[in-house]
Amino acid sequence: DTAVSQTPKYLVTQMGNDKSIKCEQNLGHDTMYWYKQDSKKFLKIMFSYNNKELIINETVPNRFSPKSPDKAHLNLHINSLELGDSAVYFCASSQSRRDKNIQYFGAGTRLSVL
Amino acid sequence: GENVEQHPSTLSVQEGDSAVIKCTYSDSASNYFPWYKQELGKGPQLIIDIRSNVGEKKDQRIAVTLNKTAKHFSLHITETQPEDSAVYFCAASYGGNAGNMLTFGGGTRLMVKP
Repeated sequence: DTAVSQTPKYLVTQMGNDKSIKCEQNLGHDTMYWYKQDSKKFLKIMFSYNNKELIINETVPNRFSPKSPDKAHLNLHINSLELGDSAVYFCASSQSRRDKNIQYFGAGTRLSVL
Repeated sequence: GENVEQHPSTLSVQEGDSAVIKCTYSDSASNYFPWYKQELGKGPQLIIDIRSNVGEKKDQRIAVTLNKTAKHFSLHITETQPEDSAVYFCAASYGGNAGNMLTFGGGTRLMVKP
């Protein structure tokens, strides 16, 4: 069983479209995250979310929004896609307790905006 | 916010040699320092982590050291093997209510030559 799973693995779309990436974790964690990895491999936090708090990295455009239907899922919605949104997006999860906050990552979704 | 610098960006070693990767961080409040290994086409995988109340931690061929005064931490891999070839990332965070948002270093591409 995959602990953190993302779908789709690859996403190719046109500029201006709206798309979603789904993430599910079966680890019983209470906190989930989205990270963006650019073409130079830089990994940057986008969001951190649990049922108490959403923390947004201030550099993330408001075209990006996380949606959590329940504790096990955190989906990423992107509106009006731009060329610069092309990257690999990783979902991760952890417990919020400071002594048990190891993050586990999904395999990533490679988004290509044409 | 936190800033993490990682060196070197690429490292080539002969099989059996040791590899050392170094990171510095800027926020003295950071208290959790994980290291991730990312293989081609996969998500980052935790290999070892250290918390601020510990100066050194070892797990078989991998060790991490932390100097809180100088705000730097290092990854040591001994007896390297070809399967150690990957991109390694250091990260730093301060645990909060919404888990911990990791700030990553720029990554080190390690190549182990057989």
